[in-house]
Formats: sequence, C-alpha cells, structure tokens
Amino acid sequence: KQEVTQIPAALSVPEGENLVLNCSFTDSAIYNLQWFRQDPGKGLTSLLLIQSSQREQTSGRLNASLDKSSGRSTLYIAASQPGDSATYLCAVTSQGGSEKLVFGKGTKLTVNP
Amino acid sequence: KAGVTQTPRYLIKTRGQQVTLSCSPISGHRSVSWYQQTPGQGLQFLFEYFSETQRNKGNFPGRFSGRQFSNSRSEMNVSTLELGDSALYLCASSGGGLNYEQYFGPGTRLTVT
Repeated sequence: KQEVTQIPAALSVPEGENLVLNCSFTDSAIYNLQWFRQDPGKGLTSLLLIQSSQREQTSGRLNASLDKSSGRSTLYIAASQPGDSATYLCAVTSQGGSEKLVFGKGTKLTVNP
Repeated sequence: KAGVTQTPRYLIKTRGQQVTLSCSPISGHRSVSWYQQTPGQGLQFLFEYFSETQRNKGNFPGRFSGRQFSNSRSEMNVSTLELGDSALYLCASSGGGLNYEQYFGPGTRLTVT
C-alpha cells in the first residue's frame, strides 16, 4: 500500500528565504508525482507535475525534483514571499491504470514579512 | 477555459439525511475523481470515473456512491449521513490519461449536525 510522508508538518520562514519541502513515498512504482498548494478552506491548485521518467520540473520560482528509486521528491521555493503562505501537498499516482492520487498530509508554510 | 466547478459550496445536513454533490469538470476532460478531506485523515480517495464508468473506488462504506453522466459531469451521493461525514469534498478532473495533470474544484463543505 502506497504511503506518502511530508516533512516538516509546518515551517515558518522570513520573507526572501529559499526553502525546501520534502516528500517521500514507500512504493517507487509510481507513474507521476504532483505538487499542490491549498489555501485555507479552498480547493487545491496544481503547481507542478513530474512524470516518473523525469528528474525535475520548474515553474517560475518553484523547482520540483524526483528521485524515484529512493522514493523522494523535493519542492524548492526561491525568494519566498508572504503570498507563498499556504499548505503544500505532495501526491503520487501509482502504476496500474488508475489516476487515483495518494496524498501526504502536507507542509503548512508561513512566510513572515 | 473555465475551471472545475462544484455545487453547492456549503451544505448543512442532519444525521440520517442524504446529500448529493455535483461536479462539472473542465471542458473536454473525461476523467473525474472525488476526494474527502478531514483534519484527521487528510485527503482520501473516494471514486474515479472515466467515460461514465467507475474505474476505481476507495475504501469507503456503501453509503457513498457516485456516477458520471455522458457530458462528464459527476455526482456523488451520501446516504444516512453520520457526524463523521462532515468534511470538505473535492472533485478533480483530468484529460483521462496518466500523464495528465489533475485539476481540483473549490470543494463542497458538508457539515452534519
């Protein structure tokens, strides 16, 4: 059974700092990994999708890497801003023909001005 | 292009009642998945539909059911509501292949009293 873990559960940083969020998964037979952002009481916003054959994806100040063999992914946020404050969720799709996402519990990020 | 829409956004029901939630996917998307989000359990997979067929089902009791229509819109129904069914119910749509990103709607906040 696939399990996804995100560390730390919460993180508080000053504005302008570069930071890394971690995600690990127990079964390396994944099809892809997706990072999402969730603001309080809202739905999920897709940030980056990394397919299993890829090593990283970049979008603006965000860079996500994937090491499938070790079961790890990181989300790097450069020059953090108060608007980046949210909960960041990592989710994997396992091989098998289903799009079912297995989520971690998330990292709650606070960027202080 | 309009995003995923969910109706209603908020709902208050009493124990024993039933409820129907609706999800309209992004135009052209054929795959719809449903998730339940609670503070204790995080995001848990309910069902996945593709072209009106249920492709996968999560580990929820039979009180939870769903369907998808020919226009890809989906509904989920919960019968005999329990207090523990209070949650944010999220719907996601995608193009239907494992390489596609999944896009989430704003969710329906269900409160059972």
